[in-house]
Amino acid sequence: QVQLVQSGAEVKKPGASVKVSCKASGYTFTDYYMHWVRQAPGQGLEWMGWINPNSGGTNYVQKFQGSVTMTRDTSISTAYMELRRLRSDDTAVYYCARWIAARRDFDYWGQGTLVTVSS
Amino acid sequence: QTVVTQEPSFSVSPGGTVTLTCGLSSGSVSTNYYPSWYQQTPGQAPRTLIYSTNSRSSGVPDRFSGSILGNKAALTITGAQADDESDYYCVLYMGSGWVFGGGTKLTVL
Repeated sequence: QVQLVQSGAEVKKPGASVKVSCKASGYTFTDYYMHWVRQAPGQGLEWMGWINPNSGGTNYVQKFQGSVTMTRDTSISTAYMELRRLRSDDTAVYYCARWIAARRDFDYWGQGTLVTVSS
Repeated sequence: QTVVTQEPSFSVSPGGTVTLTCGLSSGSVSTNYYPSWYQQTPGQAPRTLIYSTNSRSSGVPDRFSGSILGNKAALTITGAQADDESDYYCVLYMGSGWVFGGGTKLTVL
């Protein structure tokens, strides 16, 4: 069965960087784009961007351009999202989500990774 | 920047029918935006209810349906049950990426 398993919670200081991983299993990793979505405490969902695991191509929301980098390691079926220059308002749960083109849908989600930015 | 709008909260009686909507701050939602609907309970990842306007995801009860109503996407729950009490999010494909609505907190009482 399809599973996306994310790395554990992180606590970072303002200005630092964080790298969240998302290990995929149960399907061919390179066949589906991987998206990243975040959710600040008590707030709604915010789409951040995607990575094409096959080519490594990426597309980021303009808001995050320059501060986010999405990468992948196909040898271990894992996608990564690195966010730099963290601020307190980056405190959120970060989700990876598989996108299925035929449905235009995020059909499987990781369990989420809480990133807390605090001095 | 275009904002995707949803009702912040809604209430429905058990067994009742409720329609949640998903609009745009400027313009109309059409099938070209491939509206999807997600249900999220506290501490859990979202799960798909409806994709591409009106297709029900596998395992989703048929009391959930999606449509376009006027200039908005709509999620209708017919015969609401207690465990439908959740947050509901729509998402629209805007060409350059996806934009989520702010979510609707549904109370069943």
